[in-house]
Amino acid sequence: DIQMTQSPSSLSASVGDRVTITCRASADIVRYVNWYQQKPGEAPKVLIYAASTLQSGVPSRFSGSGSGTDFTLTISSLQPEDFATYFCQQTYRTYTFGQGTKLVIK
Amino acid sequence: QVQLEQSGADVKKPGASVKVSCQASGYTFTGYYIHWVRQAPGQGLEWMAWISPNSGGTSYAQKFQDRVTLTRDTSISTAYMELNSLTSDDTAVYFCARAAASTWYFDFWGQGTLVTVSS
Repeated sequence: DIQMTQSPSSLSASVGDRVTITCRASADIVRYVNWYQQKPGEAPKVLIYAASTLQSGVPSRFSGSGSGTDFTLTISSLQPEDFATYFCQQTYRTYTFGQGTKLVIK
Repeated sequence: QVQLEQSGADVKKPGASVKVSCQASGYTFTGYYIHWVRQAPGQGLEWMAWISPNSGGTSYAQKFQDRVTLTRDTSISTAYMELNSLTSDDTAVYFCARAAASTWYFDFWGQGTLVTVSS
């Protein structure tokens, strides 16, 4: 199975900050990576698919990059509603999620 | 609007089975795959399986290969996930999610169904 190692596991930041979350795959997955946001008690919501494509309706402050084994999700200027948990997912060979990054207010 | 409506919370004893439903609306049910993902309390997301509502074809994660069965009823646009031989480790929220075959990301999710396994 392809493992997705996500870092950091938690991140403290302030409104307006730029933050980056990283996922490293255990094998080359080309660009088969998606990013999700999950708030407590809710289902995940897709933000980015195919490594860098912004899902319709998602604010442009979210962006994704990477290929091969290393991928990043960047939030350019944190808004209050962005404090949540973020997961990466690979869909190259079956499906695997990263362990999650909990983004909390500093 | 696209919606996936899941059945309500359930409590089961160890060794029992649970069947969770996921009713789709707002789109052509047979046009998208339905995936099942679970999340244990305070934990991450774990993919379990998918079903093609069109063909009935399925694919299961190796971990669940022997214990999970996916079915669908196209007449009522509903997918089902049955998990057998439950243990306390199966206590989790179970989500269904929709994915297009060409993109493989989960664009709409059900609200989740809490399954509690307790003696």
